[in-house]
Amino acid sequence: GQSLEQPSEVTAVEGAIVQINCTYQTSGFYGLSWYQQHDGGAPTFLSYNGLDGLEETGRFSSFLSRSDSYGYLLLQELQMKDSASYFCAVRDHNYGQNFVFGPGTRLSVLP
Amino acid sequence: DAGVIQSPRHEVTEMGQEVTLRCKPISGHDYLFWYRQTMMRGLELLIYFNNNVPIDDSGMPEDRFSAKMPNASFSTLKIQPSEPRDSAVYFCASRLYDQGGYGYTFGSGTRLTVV
Repeated sequence: GQSLEQPSEVTAVEGAIVQINCTYQTSGFYGLSWYQQHDGGAPTFLSYNGLDGLEETGRFSSFLSRSDSYGYLLLQELQMKDSASYFCAVRDHNYGQNFVFGPGTRLSVLP
Repeated sequence: DAGVIQSPRHEVTEMGQEVTLRCKPISGHDYLFWYRQTMMRGLELLIYFNNNVPIDDSGMPEDRFSAKMPNASFSTLKIQPSEPRDSAVYFCASRLYDQGGYGYTFGSGTRLTVV
């Protein structure tokens, strides 16, 4: 099977940098994705890491270490609108095209 | 591009009634996924289709749930009979196999309440 762990909550202030970690256990790891979900909204795709290293998209970056079964999402220059839940999701090649989602981390950005 | 379209947005029904949720994927996308989201269980995959063919339905809770994709532009998720524990937000998502980044596009979801 597969399992993912994320912190349940993170709090930070506007303008700060925050890192949301994700550790996973899966036998046929293929890649790690990140999604953002605002209250009452749908998950929105942020990034994908298939190889080790850092992927940068604007204020958001995502990192993967396959040897450590670990990844993180880095959010810089936090804004109030970044308050949302963030999910990591793992694709296992033994399970086809499906991504399994982690429990989510609720980020609260304070003024 | 109108995105993934789901209907209805909200559904309130009585226990024992049949419920049908609808989804129109993004045109040209060849994968369609149905997820359920609850506070207790998070986002769970129910079933996914590739080119209208069900590939993995191992997440479908029980025989009360069924899903179809009669063509590339339409899918339904049916619950019959519905039970209060089925109350959740149901999301449909689609993606294109060759799409860089493997990102899904989710619909706005259907919030189902069974009373």
